[in-house]
Amino acid sequence: GDSVTQMEGPVTLSEEAFLTINCTYTATGYPSLFWYVQYPGEGLQLLLKATKADDKGSNKGFEATYRKETTSFHLEKGSVQVSDSAVYFCALSLNRDDKIIFGKGTRLHILP
Amino acid sequence: DVKVTQSSRYLVKRTGEKVFLECVQDMDHENMFWYRQDPGLGLRLIYFSYDVKMKEKGDIPEGYSVSREKKERFSLILESASTNQTSMYLCASSPLDRGLDEAFFGQGTRLTVV
Repeated sequence: GDSVTQMEGPVTLSEEAFLTINCTYTATGYPSLFWYVQYPGEGLQLLLKATKADDKGSNKGFEATYRKETTSFHLEKGSVQVSDSAVYFCALSLNRDDKIIFGKGTRLHILP
Repeated sequence: DVKVTQSSRYLVKRTGEKVFLECVQDMDHENMFWYRQDPGLGLRLIYFSYDVKMKEKGDIPEGYSVSREKKERFSLILESASTNQTSMYLCASSPLDRGLDEAFFGQGTRLTVV
């Protein structure tokens, strides 16, 4: 069935380090892909999205490129900040229905 | 500003009680969802609804039911609460655009069943 797999956390980095959180998906058809972020004590909010192959989503210095050939949507940021500490969820949505399927989440800790 | 509001942030209930979790959205979205979030398991879909009075089972519907009598409101019901339903519950809504748009989430209800 359709699914999302993302790297397990927690991921701990120092401030200004380069970040990659891997995400791969399995889906029949052509999904839209999303990264959501959950800051402590809050609900999820959309970070970025890509709706077709080779699209790049970007927001707040984060980027992810929809790679159909590798079924991946890895999240990257060139220089992380303490305020980026949160849980990050990769997700997909299929155009045959509006169900959203989430990965298990990756907790990110940024040390000052 | 778009908004999804869950009626309670924290809730403590006794085993066997009937529990109602309420969610209201003000964006006129067709789709609404209930997830539960548990450490190591991520978000798991309980039920979703794509229209008033319509509902679809998600991945873990056992022990839950839902009600969507009005477009803006989607209620999750625990018929007889059990300790293994202690969790964070997240409500979300999205427009009916075949997966192209994102979901908007409420702040979550942390339910403890004792």
